Formats: sequence, structure tokens, C-alpha cells
Amino acid sequence: GAGVSQSPSNKVTEKGKDVELRCDPISGHTALYWYRQRLGQGLEFLIYFQGNSAPDKSGLPSDRFSAERTGESVSTLTIQRTQQEDSAVYLCASSGQSPYGYTFGSGTRLTVV
Amino acid sequence: DQQVKQNSPSLSVQEGRISILNCDYTNSMFDYFLWYKKYPAEGPTFLISISSIKDKNEDGRFTVFLNKSAKHLSLHIVPSQPGDSAVYFCAASAQTDSGSARQLTFGSGTQLTVLP
Repeated sequence: GAGVSQSPSNKVTEKGKDVELRCDPISGHTALYWYRQRLGQGLEFLIYFQGNSAPDKSGLPSDRFSAERTGESVSTLTIQRTQQEDSAVYLCASSGQSPYGYTFGSGTRLTVV
Repeated sequence: DQQVKQNSPSLSVQEGRISILNCDYTNSMFDYFLWYKKYPAEGPTFLISISSIKDKNEDGRFTVFLNKSAKHLSLHIVPSQPGDSAVYFCAASAQTDSGSARQLTFGSGTQLTVLP
């Protein structure tokens, strides 16, 4: 597609349940990033995929968070045993080698109740 | 340690006046700077950028100024319009090994409110 697509757009889940968020990057973009924005806060880096290289997982807040990407296509971010503090908008972005930065998706708003 | 800082979480400006959003950085390896705009319930969208070889870049009502010696950049919006009300994120990147996409480091954002 023309842009970065994320699904679902909204997710309400019960504390302790697992959730899976999906990101379809722009075709041909080698890099894919996951960020989150909690209420009233800035963009928090989570994980970065670059081609077939090992991902940079330095931003993942705990071992309950994991992400996968197959080649240069779809990525899924999985949060196990969700907690209320996981409530946030989870943003995916992709980029090529242009210095013009990322193209973001519209995000998934996750609410843990 | 925050490498990109936006020290003002919010800014209110009257319609028609100038909005000035500020950003400071600490990493001297950054050589490309961008501003993103984010409306509620949407992802951030690219607004304007500047390379470190320049000190000014202008696009319509938006101008970005870069002061490398002070490690400071600013976004000027003039005249400000109510539709400019959004969160503005400053971002910076450094050159990477060939074949790797640049990774952006974001500031925490400034909520701009333009009052009619």
C-alpha cells in the first residue's frame, strides 16, 4: 500500500491477557520501528528492524514485550500478560535509505483495563 | 540521557502571530534534523527538515533554523493558524554505515495551541 498500515486501530484488553499488534510497512522500506506514546509523554523507542540484521531491542521495557519481522514485510509486536501501564498508543514506522526520516502509521491505541 | 530535548511541553499563541518551538541536542554526530507534527489519533507526519550544512530551511509558513555551535534548532510558524494546533516533535539523526537506514532520536514533543 501507499502508507504504513497498523491493526487494530483500537484494542481494549483485560489485565493479564496477551495482545498482538500488527504493522504493514511501505513496500521496499528496509527499516521498521516500533514506538509507543503514553498519555502526556513523548515518543518512546521500543525496537528497530533493519533488513536481515539482528533487531535493536534496546527499548523494550520488559521481557513481556517481543516483536518479530519476517524479511522486509509485516511485523508483529506482542505484549504478554498485559499491565495497566502498557496502555498507550503503539506506533509503527518504516523508512528506506532516505534521510527524510520515517513514515508513521496511525497507531494502535491499547487500553488495558 | 536525552539526546534531543524539547523543554517546553506546551505553547499557546494567538492566531496570526508567530509560533516558535525550540529543540536542543547533545550528540555532535547528528547531521540531519526533522520536525514532525502529530494530531490526536493520528501518527506523526513529516513537516520540515534541515541538513547540518545549512542554517535555515523555509517551506511556506514554516522555517527551521539550526545553530550548530549552540546545538539548537527552532521551528517558526508564521502566521500561526488554528489548524496548526498539534504536538510537534523534533528529531535528529546521524550518518550510519552504508546500507542502513537512519535511526531518528525524538524529543518529547511540544503541544502547540493556536487560539482563534
